[in-house]
Amino acid sequence: GESVGLHLPTLSVQEGDNSIINCAYSNSASDYFIWYKQESGKGPQFIIDIRSNMDKRQGQRVTVLLNKTVKHLSLQIAATQPGDSAVYFCAEIFTSGTYKYIFGTGTRLKVLA
Amino acid sequence: GAVVSQHPSRVICKSGTSVKIECRSLDFQATTMFWYRQFPKQSLMLMATSNEGSKATYEQGVEKDKFLINHASLTLSTLTVTSAHPEDSSFYICSATGVQRETQYFGPGTRLLVL
Repeated sequence: GESVGLHLPTLSVQEGDNSIINCAYSNSASDYFIWYKQESGKGPQFIIDIRSNMDKRQGQRVTVLLNKTVKHLSLQIAATQPGDSAVYFCAEIFTSGTYKYIFGTGTRLKVLA
Repeated sequence: GAVVSQHPSRVICKSGTSVKIECRSLDFQATTMFWYRQFPKQSLMLMATSNEGSKATYEQGVEKDKFLINHASLTLSTLTVTSAHPEDSSFYICSATGVQRETQYFGPGTRLLVL
């Protein structure tokens, strides 16, 4: 079936270094992708999105890359800070026809001081 | 913009009682709201999807009589856990989308503990 998964369940990064969180998806018909950040005991927070006709989008300290050839999505966080420690989910969204929202399993980012 | 609130943030109840959780979109009209359940260190599990003014669509394995969902207005959806039992203890999160149904904006979650 369709799935969105993450390569690494836990990622430890030194403060100040860049972080890269990966996500693989299996369906090429998706319209849209979103990265969410979820801190402990809180709901997911929207970070950045990218449409399927784009391959890169930048935000403040974050960049999302989309490689449709290998069905791979990544979130890059520059100069990782302690406040970036959280679980990061990717979501694959289908808006054409039947609306569908598929979440990845999540990657926990630990920022080491 | 796109703020979603939940109330209460935390609730403790006795086994057998019912608990109502509210989800509100504060600055946009939510045509669709979603209810999720999340176990520790796991991803979100979609329970049901509700459209304003119509019956909720439940995911397979979710008891509709156990988890009552009402979406009476474009800014409010409620989830009622009826006759709660300890195994219903979990983190419940709602989300909402606007007319274009693209981005889901999430509430802060409600921690339910059933004793």
